[in-house]
Amino acid sequence: SYVLTQPPSVSVAPGQTARITCGGNNIGSKSVHWYQQRPGQAPVLVVYDDSDRPSGIPERFSGSNSGNTATLTISRVEAGDEADYYCQVWDSSSDHFYVFGTGTKVTVL
Amino acid sequence: EVQLVESGGGLVQPGGSLRLSCAASGFTFSTYSMNWVRQAPGKGLEWVSYISSSSSTIYYADSVKGRFTISRDNAKNSLYLQMNSLRAEDTAVYYCARVAVAGWYFDLWGRGTLVTVSS
Repeated sequence: SYVLTQPPSVSVAPGQTARITCGGNNIGSKSVHWYQQRPGQAPVLVVYDDSDRPSGIPERFSGSNSGNTATLTISRVEAGDEADYYCQVWDSSSDHFYVFGTGTKVTVL
Repeated sequence: EVQLVESGGGLVQPGGSLRLSCAASGFTFSTYSMNWVRQAPGKGLEWVSYISSSSSTIYYADSVKGRFTISRDNAKNSLYLQMNSLRAEDTAVYYCARVAVAGWYFDLWGRGTLVTVSS
């Protein structure tokens, strides 16, 4: 099955930039989507199709995807960005059609 | 307001059954594919099952195949998950999630309902 690997944690100071990677075999050939999950809350879509933002998501959230790595970038990090972040792809050959990454905890120092 | 509200979770013994429901409102439910996604305590997200808008296409994760059944009632704007032969490892918060029209991702999530499988 298709595996998406994320770093367990990323720490960043307020106002700085956080970069969260999502590694997968030739992930650049797939569309990657990202979700934010604050403690005790449901996930929220923050980036879809590699780099598009849903309405209401700040421009500070951006994404890229190439080769074997997709990246979610959070610019000018705020305290409210502290959350778990998950990447996701759709893979018809997998036993889990919707594949989620392992998740990254972003801590704002 | 556009929303999904899950219900039906609770404590059940191993080998038991439970039926989850998800009530949709604020959008045309019958035009969207829907899913169940779960999250074990302190763990990541795991996709469980998919159903197309007309119920013509259904998928399950291998971990629940043969034990769980997804269904929907478009007249009642509701999604269901019948869970049988429950195991301790099925303990999780279960979310219903809407598939976006334009792609294979989830653009709307419910708040989830907790299922605990324990004796």
